[in-house]
Amino acid sequence: YVLTQPPSVSVAPGKTARITCGGNKIGGKTVHWYQQKPGQAPVLVIYYDKDRPSGIPERFSGSNSGNTATLTISRVEAGDEADYYCQVWDSNSDNIFGGGTKLTVL
Amino acid sequence: QVQLQESGPGLVKTSQTLSLTCTVSGDSITSGSYFWSWIRQPAGKGLEWIGRGRVYGSGSTDYNPSLKSRVTVAVDTSANQFSLKLTSVTAADTAVYFCAREGGYWYFDIWGRGTLVTVSS
Repeated sequence: YVLTQPPSVSVAPGKTARITCGGNKIGGKTVHWYQQKPGQAPVLVIYYDKDRPSGIPERFSGSNSGNTATLTISRVEAGDEADYYCQVWDSNSDNIFGGGTKLTVL
Repeated sequence: QVQLQESGPGLVKTSQTLSLTCTVSGDSITSGSYFWSWIRQPAGKGLEWIGRGRVYGSGSTDYNPSLKSRVTVAVDTSANQFSLKLTSVTAADTAVYFCAREGGYWYFDIWGRGTLVTVSS
């Protein structure tokens, strides 16, 4: 099973960023999202497609349908600049990560 | 607050065995229905799940199919630790290795800070 993410997404401060994660019938799977800043470990920002762990701002939201899952970051801030990874569990491959998307805040 | 910390050699010779330990602090490794996983990240590249160990279910394990023949994950409840062994390493195994707690439906909610392992002759 393969997850496809765009290598990069750019957005101006205060605007909305959308990072996609494509996979065959991914809407039938459960998607999780991680944020990773340089030199740091990944941090879980969305689990079960759309749930936020405690401490994650409401600006972060997720959706999943058809062949695409999407991480949406509203009112983007400079501190949101990071790499973002989607992840699913697949019965054949076990845990799979997308290739990652670098979010640049202009 | 649960914390994870990786430890082990930062340099391993080609063809030898990479061995890392993850120490769990702040709670017992037997608390809750969690799995204990290893994930790695080569420099400038993405994340790759390596494998997991369970406390329950007879301590069973699961591995990334691409690494299965070389990987062993073990959980030591008496030490509140879990470990990774990767045999016959090559330069392609050079990466930052993270340990992580896996909960719920296969998500990683707590991560260690990661440790760089370089494979060189």
